[in-house]
Amino acid sequence: GQNIDQPTEMTATEGAIVQINCTYQTSGFNGLFWYQQHAGEAPTFLSYNVLDGLEEKGRFSSFLSRSKGYSYLLLKELQMKDSASYLCVVMDSNYQLIWGAGTKLIIKP
Amino acid sequence: NAGVTQTPKFQVLKTGQSMTLQCAQDMNHEYMSWYRQDPGMGLRLIHYSVGAGITDQGEVPNGYNVSRSTTEDFPLRLLSAAPSQTSVYFCASSLNGEFQPQHFGDGTRLSIL
Repeated sequence: GQNIDQPTEMTATEGAIVQINCTYQTSGFNGLFWYQQHAGEAPTFLSYNVLDGLEEKGRFSSFLSRSKGYSYLLLKELQMKDSASYLCVVMDSNYQLIWGAGTKLIIKP
Repeated sequence: NAGVTQTPKFQVLKTGQSMTLQCAQDMNHEYMSWYRQDPGMGLRLIHYSVGAGITDQGEVPNGYNVSRSTTEDFPLRLLSAAPSQTSVYFCASSLNGEFQPQHFGDGTRLSIL
């Protein structure tokens, strides 16, 4: 079966750095997305990785290791508005998107 | 700058009733899809369309129908509502498929009594 694992919930402090991990076991791999979803709202696109390595976009960075079936989302200089769920999504060999259940990130002052 | 528009935002139905969730996008996107989101689970694909006149089933299509008569519109029909269909439904679109970031509507919160 296809599976995506990410922590259910994490807590971090405003101004700090947090790393949200995602491991996956899928039928092939055609890329990995991260989405942000605030409570009661729609998911919004954050990043896309298809090659190994780190992609940086402002305060957010996403890392991929295809050989390990592993990705992480790194959030720097945390702000209260970063409180949200972060969804890890893998595209398998049939170009189907497999969605993780999401990591709820709580930011404390 | 509407993007993806879903209506209604909230709906309560009785078991056995039918209804249509509307979805429209104004970005000329070819690819559109419907998901449901349930607590503790990832989004699950119900149906999708790669262009006008073309639809296909996703992971959980039973109890739902779709049509795509125009590029802009992609309605989702619940044929005979069941309590198991209580969920949040999201419509999404992208320029030309899964490789592109999905643009989501605001969602429809549906309760079946």
